[in-house]
Amino acid sequence: ETGVTQSPTHLIKTRGQQVTLRCSSQSGHNTVSWYQQALGQGPQFIFQYYREEENGRGNFPPRFSGLQFPNYSSELNVNALELDDSALYLCASSLGLQSDETQYFGPGTRLLVL
Amino acid sequence: QKEVEQNSGPLSVPEGAIASLNCTYSDRGSQSFFWYRQYSGKSPELIMFIYSNGDKEDGRFTAQLNKASQYVSLLIRDSQPSDSATYLCAVSPTDSWGKLQFGAGTQVVVTP
Repeated sequence: ETGVTQSPTHLIKTRGQQVTLRCSSQSGHNTVSWYQQALGQGPQFIFQYYREEENGRGNFPPRFSGLQFPNYSSELNVNALELDDSALYLCASSLGLQSDETQYFGPGTRLLVL
Repeated sequence: QKEVEQNSGPLSVPEGAIASLNCTYSDRGSQSFFWYRQYSGKSPELIMFIYSNGDKEDGRFTAQLNKASQYVSLLIRDSQPSDSATYLCAVSPTDSWGKLQFGAGTQVVVTP
């Protein structure tokens, strides 16, 4: 157990809808990163938050947005869902921003877009 | 060109043998390298990290890093059926610390 939790575990949406995924980081971890993992692929970096501010973004469109809250929880919001958004969404928490920081992954939310 | 490359496998390994997994990366300035194990339907779990050239051992696992060749590997000694999983190589790029770049993973199958 990494101490990182995510909800819900599974979700089914239809194209065009909006979805909010939630993550609770380890206590004391100021950094949360979100990744998208399509079937058969490695995780792709979506964005990272450090102390409630966005600290970098991967190659994802603006309809992917996030928030981080002071209580070590965070959200990933996806608007106007597309079929290709079907994937496992992972959050990972770490202490800070150093390059050698270990990231601890939550169990993930599996999203299916129909 | 993919930034982190791994052989997709599957890599079939007899029980008790050594599994050797390879990973190459394109960002020469990368400083930190991680190996994660991912069981089917589960999230990645950290096995090892390595920052310096050379070998790093942890139990049955050995990570090897060669920054000049931009190459990192993972050896699994005395492979067990429970080692059957996908192994993901992750790299922390030069100017994007903590924003890990992952390879597609190598599937390892340990056969009794």
